[in-house]
Amino acid sequence: GQNIDQPTEMTATEGAIVQINCTYQTSGFNGLFWYQQHAGEAPTFLSYNVLDGLEEKGRFSSFLSRSKGYSYLLLKELQMKDSASYLCAVRDSNYQLIWGAGTKLIIKP
Amino acid sequence: ETGVTQTPRHLVMGMTNKKSLKCEQHLGHNAMYWYKQSAKKPLELMFVYNFKEQTENNSVPSRFSPECPNSSHLFLHLHTLQPEDSALYLCASSLKVGDAETQYFGPGTRLLV
Repeated sequence: GQNIDQPTEMTATEGAIVQINCTYQTSGFNGLFWYQQHAGEAPTFLSYNVLDGLEEKGRFSSFLSRSKGYSYLLLKELQMKDSASYLCAVRDSNYQLIWGAGTKLIIKP
Repeated sequence: ETGVTQTPRHLVMGMTNKKSLKCEQHLGHNAMYWYKQSAKKPLELMFVYNFKEQTENNSVPSRFSPECPNSSHLFLHLHTLQPEDSALYLCASSLKVGDAETQYFGPGTRLLV
């Protein structure tokens, strides 16, 4: 079966750095997405990786290793507004998105 | 982001009611999706429409009935629901199905049965 694993919840301190991991087992691979979802709101697109390596976008970076079936989202200089759920999703060989259950990130002052 | 809108935002219905959820996208996209999001579970893809044609139906019970009259509008008709159907129902759209197209989500309808 297809599976996406990510931690259920993480806690970090304002101003610090946090890394949210995602491991996947899917039938084929056509890209990995990270979405941010604040409570009661729509998921919003953060990043897309299809090749190995690091993609940097401001305070957020996303890394992919296809051979290891592994990705992480790195958030730097954490702000209170970064408190949200972070969803990892992989597009399989049929171009269908397989979603993880999300990681709830709690930022403390 | 107001590119994808959903109404109503909240809905409480009895098990014998019939109601409809509405989704509208103003992004010029050709693909639209219905997802179910339950607490602490992955997003579950329910239906996919590409250029108004249904291309996916992931074993969804017949008490959920989608309708896509045009590329900008998507409905989900509900009838004789069960308590386990209580969830957040998200609509999304993308330029087309496949490739690396990013999906854009609406705010969702919180449904309580």
